[in-house]
Amino acid sequence: EPEVTQTPSHQVTQMGQEVILRCVPISNHLYFYWYRQILGQKVEFLVSFYNNEISEKSEIFDDQFSVERPDGSNFTLKIRSTKLEDSAMYFCASEGQGDYGYTFGSGTRLTVV
Amino acid sequence: RKEVEQDPGPFNVPEGATVAFNCTYSNSASQSFFWYRQDCRKEPKLLMSVYSSGNEDGRFTAQLNRASQYISLLIRDSKLSDSATYLCVANEKGGSQGNLIFGKGTKLSVKP
Repeated sequence: EPEVTQTPSHQVTQMGQEVILRCVPISNHLYFYWYRQILGQKVEFLVSFYNNEISEKSEIFDDQFSVERPDGSNFTLKIRSTKLEDSAMYFCASEGQGDYGYTFGSGTRLTVV
Repeated sequence: RKEVEQDPGPFNVPEGATVAFNCTYSNSASQSFFWYRQDCRKEPKLLMSVYSSGNEDGRFTAQLNRASQYISLLIRDSKLSDSATYLCVANEKGGSQGNLIFGKGTKLSVKP
């Protein structure tokens, strides 16, 4: 079964540092998403990406966040200057045209110290 | 504010029991609905979509009441492997090409 792959599985970073979370969506999918889940909280939408541009973003996705699809396979989330409250599990997801339901990656656990 | 509300549980049930979860959503414009399952510290996995006519997949039955903005999931003949958190999810768009609004989840623990 096709998978969405995320790396690294766990990232520890110091406050103020930049981090890049990487995702390889399913190859023929067209819609890409980042979600996050703070421990014990609900899964929250960050951003959606289609046709090489952001199609929608939430209030959480401020100027410190950016996304890229640099080479047609990878889909990255960058946090420019991490804060303690950015500590969370970050999930990438992708979806094909006409699909009904996402496929989520296994997540990157980000810990900001 | 668009919200999906669920009873957090936990629901502790014996194997073989029938258990029902409910969920309400605040945005009347929501068009598509799902139940996802999330195991501890894992990614959400789609369990089933929810249709107005109700739909069944093996031991799982989902129902949608648009008038009451209410969604339910029924699990029959519970198995130990059903232990997980069940996430109720709504989407403003038909299909799933848009951002999903997740509930906080209902925790189910099935005991021998």
